[in-house]
Amino acid sequence: KAGVTQTPRYLIKTRGQQVTLSCSPISGHRSVSWYQQTPGQGLQFLFEYFSETQRNKGNFPGRFSGRQFSNSRSEMNVSTLELGDSALYLCASSPEGTGGEVQYFGPGTRLTVT
Amino acid sequence: QKEVEQDPGPLSVPEGAIVSLNCTYSNSAFQYFMWYRQYSRKGPELLMYTYSSGNKEDGRFTAQVDKSSKYISLFIRDSQPSDSATYLCAMSGVGDKIIFGKGTRLHILP
Repeated sequence: KAGVTQTPRYLIKTRGQQVTLSCSPISGHRSVSWYQQTPGQGLQFLFEYFSETQRNKGNFPGRFSGRQFSNSRSEMNVSTLELGDSALYLCASSPEGTGGEVQYFGPGTRLTVT
Repeated sequence: QKEVEQDPGPLSVPEGAIVSLNCTYSNSAFQYFMWYRQYSRKGPELLMYTYSSGNKEDGRFTAQVDKSSKYISLFIRDSQPSDSATYLCAMSGVGDKIIFGKGTRLHILP
């Protein structure tokens, strides 16, 4: 099976712009989670989607949003970008029958905000 | 107090040594305990997970959970240069979001 794929891999944006990142989970996985990884804060949970519904949400401002489509692909959007949003954004999918403890991560999208 | 504490390292050990990586946590509701390995410029990769307390072994890796002390460990036997990576502990309650430690950078010296 193909692994989790994320596009684009690298992105440079300017403060105030918005950005959309895409994630395709492993075939058959219906749970998709998003994380932000920075050197200072480490890996932080953004949100989780299961069957097109947001199931869990982290402590991020409303500028961060996401959605999931019927084919389980997911997108996350960040509006009004700030310099502090520069980070590696990781997507992970989980197989059914697990409590979320088994997560398969994609390679991430490296976002740089200037 | 952070929910999950992990020493960032770096930790440098000679090839063949036993490596001990640890995390402490404060949330007694955590039931699932995981260890991920992350190579540079890659996403994290799940190494092991355990439910509740106890030990779990998989090849050269052993995970231990001590819920009474709120302390988890990962041991790597016969360490190899290919084990050089950042190791992240992670934990969650049932149906809850996963909380990650900040990771320990490990260097295995040939």
